[in-house]
Amino acid sequence: GQQLNQSPQSMFIQEGEDVSMNCTSSSIFNTWLWYKQDPGEGPVLLIALYKAGELTSNGRLTAQFGITRKDSFLNISASIPSDVGIYFCAGQSTSGTYKYIFGTGTRLKVLA
Amino acid sequence: DAGVTQSPTHLIKTRGQHVTLRCSPISGHKSVSWYQQVLGQGPQFIFQYYEKEERGRGNFPDRFSARQFPNYSSELNVNALLLGDSALYLCASSREAGNYGYTFGSGTRLTVV
Repeated sequence: GQQLNQSPQSMFIQEGEDVSMNCTSSSIFNTWLWYKQDPGEGPVLLIALYKAGELTSNGRLTAQFGITRKDSFLNISASIPSDVGIYFCAGQSTSGTYKYIFGTGTRLKVLA
Repeated sequence: DAGVTQSPTHLIKTRGQHVTLRCSPISGHKSVSWYQQVLGQGPQFIFQYYEKEERGRGNFPDRFSARQFPNYSSELNVNALLLGDSALYLCASSREAGNYGYTFGSGTRLTVV
């Protein structure tokens, strides 16, 4: 099935470092979501973006809706061990359907 | 408030069997969506239901069907199970249909042997 491209696929970082990841699509989206998934759990919504160029923060997390409407970025500042997990982007197209297309995921590992 | 609840949490089925997965949305949420997540991949959209009507369907065979009940709970049915149907099945709810962020349940882990 269709999936969005996320990069990097995985990353190891030191506690306290900032993290950046992105998500790209060949299609235009009108909504971008960012989720975090822990092992054995469902994804948890972190940030929702509804407008091109929008920049939204949730604590140490900041996400942006790309102005081309084909990409989105997530930044995590001052990472902590509990940031470990898989981060997924999800986009909703303008085609009128209500499905979200998810990315391939970025696996984050934080070294204390 | 209770989140999205799914049952069962795990089950093992044999090829060719049928399975029914259940989902109760957050109170007040009228839309339920189903996703399949194969190990190592992101979730793939299967269905969305809103006010008991199907509002969207992903690229899944007709062996997959779903319905939504008057209390907004939902069932996902899969017939003639294949090994490739082994996955985490996620249910998500939102207040309305449309471009709203979902709240996901913890999923049902289906293993087909």
